[in-house]
Amino acid sequence: NAGVTQTPKFRILKIGQSMTLQCAQDMNHNYMYWYRQDPGMGLKLIYYSVGAGITDKGEVPNGYNVSRSTTEDFPLRLELAAPSQTSVYFCASSQGTGEGEQYFGPGTRLTVT
Amino acid sequence: GQQLNQSPQSMFIQEGEDVSMNCTSSSIFNTWLWYKQDPGEGPVLLIALYKAGELTSNGRLTAQFGITRKDSFLNISASIPSDVGIYFCAGAGGRHTGKLIFGQGTTLQVKP
Repeated sequence: NAGVTQTPKFRILKIGQSMTLQCAQDMNHNYMYWYRQDPGMGLKLIYYSVGAGITDKGEVPNGYNVSRSTTEDFPLRLELAAPSQTSVYFCASSQGTGEGEQYFGPGTRLTVT
Repeated sequence: GQQLNQSPQSMFIQEGEDVSMNCTSSSIFNTWLWYKQDPGEGPVLLIALYKAGELTSNGRLTAQFGITRKDSFLNISASIPSDVGIYFCAGAGGRHTGKLIFGQGTTLQVKP
């Protein structure tokens, strides 16, 4: 049981480039989430999904897009990278009720220069 | 929007000492969670609390869900060097979205 996996672990992007952060979970969780963590700050919710085919915006969705075609995968897309998107990105998942107990991946450290 | 105030922001303690940190909110939460984050890793769930007044232990860690449902605290007894990290509280407001609101974190350093 790998839990929540994320790739890549590190990435450097130039301003205006695009990339997709991958997230997968093997716990058959319905709920999945994307967060960003800036230095000295807590986690801010970008997007979340309560099931395949259903996504919704979180607190800081601007500049990002998501899709959820399967229960296992929840990729996060950055279309036109900006320096403000330099951050550490975490994917998480939780069971069907969604009431807390989220399990996190190891994170992707993204730098936009 | 909902916010959590976590304190203290950082702590530097001697090995063997007890530690206490807390979170407060202006809103009611149905669930309180405590996570620990090691450097370069994702947060790991330590304790989950689901009922007002609930007191739950996990080894040397004890957490309580406040009676008003607007606060929670975490205690670590007899700290050891591997307790070093950032501790986050998180609250869930329900509505079956599973969305969590996170505190800013408490950075704990333990001197051997």
